[in-house]
Amino acid sequence: LAKTTQPISMDSYEGQEVNITCSHNNIATNDYITWYQQFPSQGPRFIIQGYKTKVTNEVASLFIPADRKSSTLSLPRVSLSDTAVYYCLVGDGVTGGGNKLTFGTGTQLKVEL
Amino acid sequence: EPEVTQTPSHQVTQMGQEVILRCVPISNHLYFYWYRQILGQKVEFLVSFYNNEISEKSEIFDDQFSVERPDGSNFTLKIRSTKLEDSAMYFCASREDRANQPQHFGDGTRLSIL
Repeated sequence: LAKTTQPISMDSYEGQEVNITCSHNNIATNDYITWYQQFPSQGPRFIIQGYKTKVTNEVASLFIPADRKSSTLSLPRVSLSDTAVYYCLVGDGVTGGGNKLTFGTGTQLKVEL
Repeated sequence: EPEVTQTPSHQVTQMGQEVILRCVPISNHLYFYWYRQILGQKVEFLVSFYNNEISEKSEIFDDQFSVERPDGSNFTLKIRSTKLEDSAMYFCASREDRANQPQHFGDGTRLSIL
């Protein structure tokens, strides 16, 4: 499984755009990049997933450069409720079988007024 | 939006007792998982389950643990003889049987062993 590296913590203010970058230098050809959000005492919540270029949904955008060795989760206009831990995961989403997820320590985002 | 539901939300058990944690995965999902998160630590994979059998399990998932899909909707995790170190949040997850689909998690059961 590709190892990921992301900042331990980030601080922001309400209304700002937040970009969290994840490094995954040994990403494999079949690997997808997936981001989860976790609030205290809750399960991880799927945010967005992508393979290359840019993916956008109603809550976030995911930017993946051509070499795919990193990715950036972009949260537009954050609010206090976006304070959470954000996890970047890289894994093979193509084959069947277990597809276990390996979580790191994630990035603790703190949003203030 | 369909979601994974877990019961109970909090379970308190005496050490050495058996405990069963219950999950109802999203209805059209066919892959099921259990993870745990000890307070202040990472989310750790325990086991994956597909087609009525275990696909993969971690070193944590020893002989004290078992999983079962007793009917068409429930997925359970049993710990036979609980230890103090089993205290953690236990999360169930499920995903569709199609390539590149994400896992969706429940909000967990907090297991406290006394």
